[in-house]
Amino acid sequence: SQKIEQNSEALNIQEGKTATLTCNYTNYSPAYLQWYRQDPGRGPVFLLLIRENEKEKRKERLKVTFDTTLKQSLFHITASQPADSATYLCALGDQTGANNLFFGTGTRLTVIP
Amino acid sequence: GAVVSQHPSRVICKSGTSVKIECRSLDFQATTMFWYRQFPKQSLMLMATSNEGSKATYEQGVEKDKFLINHASLTLSTLTVTSAHPEDSSFYICSARDPGAITQYFGPGTRLTVL
Repeated sequence: SQKIEQNSEALNIQEGKTATLTCNYTNYSPAYLQWYRQDPGRGPVFLLLIRENEKEKRKERLKVTFDTTLKQSLFHITASQPADSATYLCALGDQTGANNLFFGTGTRLTVIP
Repeated sequence: GAVVSQHPSRVICKSGTSVKIECRSLDFQATTMFWYRQFPKQSLMLMATSNEGSKATYEQGVEKDKFLINHASLTLSTLTVTSAHPEDSSFYICSARDPGAITQYFGPGTRLTVL
């Protein structure tokens, strides 16, 4: 079965720096990958989607890369702010059946003022 | 756009009772909704896929007689936890997908505590 690993359970960075989160996967060939933000006690909020034929996607201070050879996605938050502190989840999906998503366990990011 | 609501946000019940959780897509029609469960510090685990007008598809290991799913309309799916036990205590989250799109939009979740 597929395995999705997010590099670290927790990541602390200084405000203003760039946060880089990693998502690695095995035993799977996703058609797309999504990143979500989850705050404590809340449901995930969609941030970005990147397809298998795309190398990079950007949205404001967010950037996602997708390397299907390395089976890895990197998620960057530039000029990080304390309000960016949350858990970030990567999710992989394909376009067969119901388009189910498979989630990683998440990385808890803390931006220190 | 793409707002999904859940009700209730929190429920505490006694062991043996049944609890119903509602999931609504507020500004779009969702032919497919998903139900997830999340234990503390763990990933979201898909429980079942709910299709409007047909039976839900359950993931392996999820008891369909215990977790009843009804997707009666294009904007509403319900999950009923029957004869709840303390081990059913968890954070239940639904999501909905806009027809023709890939992205799932999640509800705010329901915290179930079974005493």
